[in-house]
Formats: sequence, C-alpha cells, structure tokens
Amino acid sequence: GIQVEQSPPDLILQEGANSTLRCNFSDSVNNLQWFHQNPWGQLINLFYIPSGTKQNGRLSATTVATERYSLLYISSSQTTDSGVYFCAVDRGSYIPTFGRGTSLIVHP
Amino acid sequence: NAGVTQTPKFRILKIGQSMTLQCTQDMNHNYMYWYRQDPGMGLKLIYYSVGAGITDKGEVPNGYNVSRSTTEDFPLRLELAAPSQTSVYFCASTLSGSYTEAFFGQGTRLTVV
Repeated sequence: GIQVEQSPPDLILQEGANSTLRCNFSDSVNNLQWFHQNPWGQLINLFYIPSGTKQNGRLSATTVATERYSLLYISSSQTTDSGVYFCAVDRGSYIPTFGRGTSLIVHP
Repeated sequence: NAGVTQTPKFRILKIGQSMTLQCTQDMNHNYMYWYRQDPGMGLKLIYYSVGAGITDKGEVPNGYNVSRSTTEDFPLRLELAAPSQTSVYFCASTLSGSYTEAFFGQGTRLTVV
C-alpha cells in the first residue's frame, strides 16, 4: 500500500514563530487532506488539497502531486496551534492512509 | 448540534468482555468510518460503510464487527476484548467518501485490562 511519511515528528516553537510541516507519499494520490488533532483529541479538517495551494488565515498548504509531497505552513504560531498535525492520502479507494503525524508544541 | 456523536467517551473493559461503541451522524452522510489511534501513530481504518446495509473491512478489522442498518448509525462491536484493543477509537463520516468534508467524532478512549 501507499506509504505516508511526515516530518518532523516533533516540533517545539515559541509563540510568533513560523513553521513548515512536510508530508511525503510513495505513490500518486487522488485525495490529500491535512488534519489538526488538538490536545483534547478532537480532529479538525484543515485543508483538502490534492494539488495546488490553499490558504486559510495563518495556515496555508501546498501539494506538488508530481513530486509526491505536501507542505503545511503555519505562520505567527499561537499556543492554540499546539497538537498533532496529520496528513491523509488515498488513491480514490475511499480508504485513506494516515501518516504518523507531527506533534507541535507552541510555548507562550 | 450537527455532527458525529460517539459514546461512550471513556471505558474500561476486562479481558473477554464485550461492548459496543456507538456512532451517530445527523448530516445524512453516506460514508462512515471507524478508526483506531494508538499512541504516536496515525489513524488506522477498522471498518467502513458506503451506505445503509453495506460494510467492508479496513486495514485492521480483526476482533471487531460493525453493522449499518440506518444511514445515521454505525456501531462498532468488540466481542472478546483483548489488551491489544486498548486504543482511542474515532468514528468519521463524509457525504461522498472523497474526504472533502470529513467530520470526526470526539473519540472513545478504551482500556482493556
């Protein structure tokens, strides 16, 4: 099956810093989505982005499908950004594969 | 409130006991999913359903059963609980299955002792 690797596994930032999270995948995909799991365990959709670039406030994402990676940018990080960020992909089978996530801690 | 509702939020089971995790969505979504999340890992798909009366196995179905008698409900059954089933379980739903509008429940933390 398709392999999904996320980096870095852990990230610690000071409030106000910027960061880039990466998701590499081993094969072409039809769907790609970024999720945020907050410290209470709740999973929130961030972006559905099989290709191209999208922005939502301080967050933006870019997927380069031909090179099999996606990037999630967080600018001016806030403590509420803490949590785990997951990338999930699928090849149109409706069975997505999740990466192991990037754990982000933002200190005030 | 519209969304995916999971119950219970926490549960401790003894080895060999059975239980059902409930999942209900009120968005008229066709696709529903059950995932488990182990510490430091991503989500792994247990079972999914593309509509009432239709279910299929995911990546890690052993030890679990599901049913989908209505569009709204997708319960997950553990028949003989084992310590390896200690995990956090998430139910999710989407309208089309493309994950463009995926909604997750708040999770059920299950411990088998």
